Amino acid sequence: GAVVSQHPSWVICKSGTSVKIECRSLDFQATTMFWYRQFPKQSLMLMATSNEGSKATYEQGVEKDKFLINHASLTLSTLTVTSAHPEDSSFYICSAPLAETQYFGPGTRLLVL
Amino acid sequence: TQLLEQSPQFLSIQEGENLTVYCNSSSVFSSLQWYRQEPGEGPVLLVTVVTGGEVKKLKRLTFQFGDARKDSSLHITAAQPGDTGLYLCAGGQAGGGADGLTFGKGTHLIIQP
Repeated sequence: GAVVSQHPSWVICKSGTSVKIECRSLDFQATTMFWYRQFPKQSLMLMATSNEGSKATYEQGVEKDKFLINHASLTLSTLTVTSAHPEDSSFYICSAPLAETQYFGPGTRLLVL
Repeated sequence: TQLLEQSPQFLSIQEGENLTVYCNSSSVFSSLQWYRQEPGEGPVLLVTVVTGGEVKKLKRLTFQFGDARKDSSLHITAAQPGDTGLYLCAGGQAGGGADGLTFGKGTHLIIQP
């Protein structure tokens, strides 16, 4: 099956700093990738769609200047949480589609102190 | 906004019992996927259904997509402690995985030995 990786798997940072999370499709190419956020005991919420070669599209209520997305190649998308605050602490998960199916990365746990 | 209502949200049953999880929406989906998620990990795909009325079986798990492609169910026969986890249904609007998924709130399933 298709494999999606994320790096890092967890990160702790101080409030006000920026954190970059990478999402890679390992054995297939993806012109589109998706970023989700999941708070404890809750389901996944779509944050934005990462588009290779063009700007990302953000869901309503997600600040594009705070969550910077760059789809650098057909196998890599990055999410940068800028000026992170404790309320940004969450589990960030990316996915990439292959045919009718979304394949998810293992997630990145972010803790902002 | 497309919504997926998933029920029940929490279910705790004894080993050997049967259970059904439901996923309902007023919207039509091009495909519907069921995932299982362990704590601290990304969702793992169980099945994708794309045709109205489709039934798929995965060992003791039976998945059904409604005729109108608005609802789906997951039935587990003779549940085992290893089935414990968070089960998520997710629907896609566009074909080919071109859009982000809409997730249900999830069903936290506990199978007691």
